[in-house]
Amino acid sequence: AQKITQTQPGMFVQEKEAVTLDCTYDTSDPSYGLFWYKQPSSGEMIFLIYQGSYDQQNATEGRYSLNFQKARKSANLVISASQLGDSAMYFCAMREGPSGYSTLTFGKGTMLLVSP
Amino acid sequence: DSGVTQTPKHLITATGQRVTLRCSPRSGDLSVYWYQQSLDQGLQFLIQYYNGEERAKGNILERFSAQQFPDLHSELNLSSLELGDSALYFCASSAVVSSGNTIYFGEGSWLTVV
Repeated sequence: AQKITQTQPGMFVQEKEAVTLDCTYDTSDPSYGLFWYKQPSSGEMIFLIYQGSYDQQNATEGRYSLNFQKARKSANLVISASQLGDSAMYFCAMREGPSGYSTLTFGKGTMLLVSP
Repeated sequence: DSGVTQTPKHLITATGQRVTLRCSPRSGDLSVYWYQQSLDQGLQFLIQYYNGEERAKGNILERFSAQQFPDLHSELNLSSLELGDSALYFCASSAVVSSGNTIYFGEGSWLTVV
């Protein structure tokens, strides 16, 4: 089974509108972290936001917020007031366990296009 | 700027050749990761080092090898290259290896095998 599922291959949004990118995850480990990365067309992988499995509040970083619903195993990224520069590929990723062997498992990504 | 430095940024080489990709982690980060991103396979974890020792292995081919040096920089060696090895190779680093620690990525090395 896939550990990270991003069901939206592509999303379109108009400038200044909010958009939600979906992410569901699968793990039996009680300790895990959820991450969102942005990859513009230039290729670099930019860290956006992190949510820990034990965090009580949803993470926020500027215009980015993470809608964390633990019982549903979902960690959706919300971008408020979209900008043209937000057009990029967005990846949800998970890191399991507190041990020294945890690495990131990525979803297949969602391509976001922001139109004027 | 994530603070992770990768060289070279672009590389074109022929099949059968060998290349070395280099990575300098963020200052103070002890853990280095290598990932491969291709159109058909997506983002695949290759290998992880922590303070010079191999910690985890993912889908790394036997033709590929890596190491982390005492100054914490890392190299990924790709040999007997095939067309299918063409991909974007990322190095990433983190301070420690708990699940709550962010992994920061470099800008990647674009490898084209012709």
